[in-house]
Amino acid sequence: DAKTTQPTSMDCAEGRAANLPCNHSTISGNEYVYWYRQIHSQGPQYIIHGLKNNETNEMASLIITEDRKSSTLILPHATLRDTAVYYCIVIKSSGDKLTFGTGTRLAVRP
Amino acid sequence: EAGVAQSPRYKIIEKRQSVAFWCNPISGHATLYWYQQILGQGPKLLIQFQNNGVVDDSQLPKDRFSAERLKGVDSTLKIQPAKLEDSAVYLCASSLGGTGAQPQHFGDGTRLSIL
Repeated sequence: DAKTTQPTSMDCAEGRAANLPCNHSTISGNEYVYWYRQIHSQGPQYIIHGLKNNETNEMASLIITEDRKSSTLILPHATLRDTAVYYCIVIKSSGDKLTFGTGTRLAVRP
Repeated sequence: EAGVAQSPRYKIIEKRQSVAFWCNPISGHATLYWYQQILGQGPKLLIQFQNNGVVDDSQLPKDRFSAERLKGVDSTLKIQPAKLEDSAVYLCASSLGGTGAQPQHFGDGTRLSIL
């Protein structure tokens, strides 16, 4: 699976959009981009995933660049409960284990 | 839809003792995973089941860890004997079919402390 690179930490103000970047420059055409987050003392929570097109669900939007070498997770209106470690993971379409890196620690401030 | 259920939530044992963890996946999910998460690190896969067959157990320390998924539903993970370095959170996840298009959903894990 392709390696991903994320900033170590970010912060944003409550109510504003949080934009979390991820670089996956070695991604293959048959690999998905997944985003998970982990809030303290809980298991990882699935947020969203995509292959080529941008995706949106009730939690977030995923923007994938045309060359697929990077993506951005957007939390449109961040709340204090969005404070967590966010992981960007690339996984083959045939399926595989999730390989978690160090992720981005997002702090939402009041 | 009920999520992945795990028990117990916490367990404290002494080294060289044995311990077992239980996981009930989301109904209808054929693929089940056990991950180990050491403090300060991301989860790492221990074993993956497809129904009741093992797909990947390459990272499972087989001299002390064992796992089974009888009848292709619930699963148990056992450690015998436990070592100090086994202190971690043990996470169970499940997915519908195990392909890249189907997300894995996690339980909240069992936090194991070895004294």
